[in-house]
Amino acid sequence: AQKITQTQPGMFVQEKEAVTLDCTYDTSDQSYGLFWYKQPSSGEMIFLIYQGSYDEQNATEGRYSLNFQKARKSANLVISASQLGDSAMYFCAMREVNTGTASKLTFGTGTRLQVTL
Amino acid sequence: EAGVTQSPTHLIKTRGQQATLRCSPISGHTSVYWYQQALGLGLQFLLWYDEGEERNRGNFPPRFSGRQFPNYSSELNVNALELEDSALYLCASSSGTVTQETQYFGPGTRLLVL
Repeated sequence: AQKITQTQPGMFVQEKEAVTLDCTYDTSDQSYGLFWYKQPSSGEMIFLIYQGSYDEQNATEGRYSLNFQKARKSANLVISASQLGDSAMYFCAMREVNTGTASKLTFGTGTRLQVTL
Repeated sequence: EAGVTQSPTHLIKTRGQQATLRCSPISGHTSVYWYQQALGLGLQFLLWYDEGEERNRGNFPPRFSGRQFPNYSSELNVNALELEDSALYLCASSSGTVTQETQYFGPGTRLLVL
């Protein structure tokens, strides 16, 4: 079963508008971390935001916020006031800690965001 | 502070050759991770090194191997290259292995196998 699901292969948003990128996950662990990364066409993965499974508050980092709904196993990324430079691929990822040896990131398939004028 | 660096940025090899990719982590980071991003396959975990030891590997054949040096830099070796090894290889580093430690990525090495 897929552990991270991103159902939106592509999204369009107008400049200055807000956009939500969806992410659902599947894990039996109680302790895990959820991450969002941005990948521009250059290829580098840029860390955006982190949410821990025990964090009670939704994470925020500048224009990025994470809408964390633990019972629904969703961790949607909200980008406010979109800018042209936000056009990129966005990946949701999960880090599980199974017996302390896993420590890898499992990525979703990504959502390509295009910001238009 | 310098980020994760990778070399070379691009690498062209022919089938059957060997490729060596290098990664330098952020100063103070002891864990290094390697991921493969191939067209149509997404990002796949390859290897994790911490304190010089291989801690975990993904579902890749043994011809994918690597090591971590005493200065925490790392090398990924791919032997007997196959056409499907063409991909972007991303290295990441983190300062620890607890759940919330963020992995910071380098710019990647684009490997093309002809």
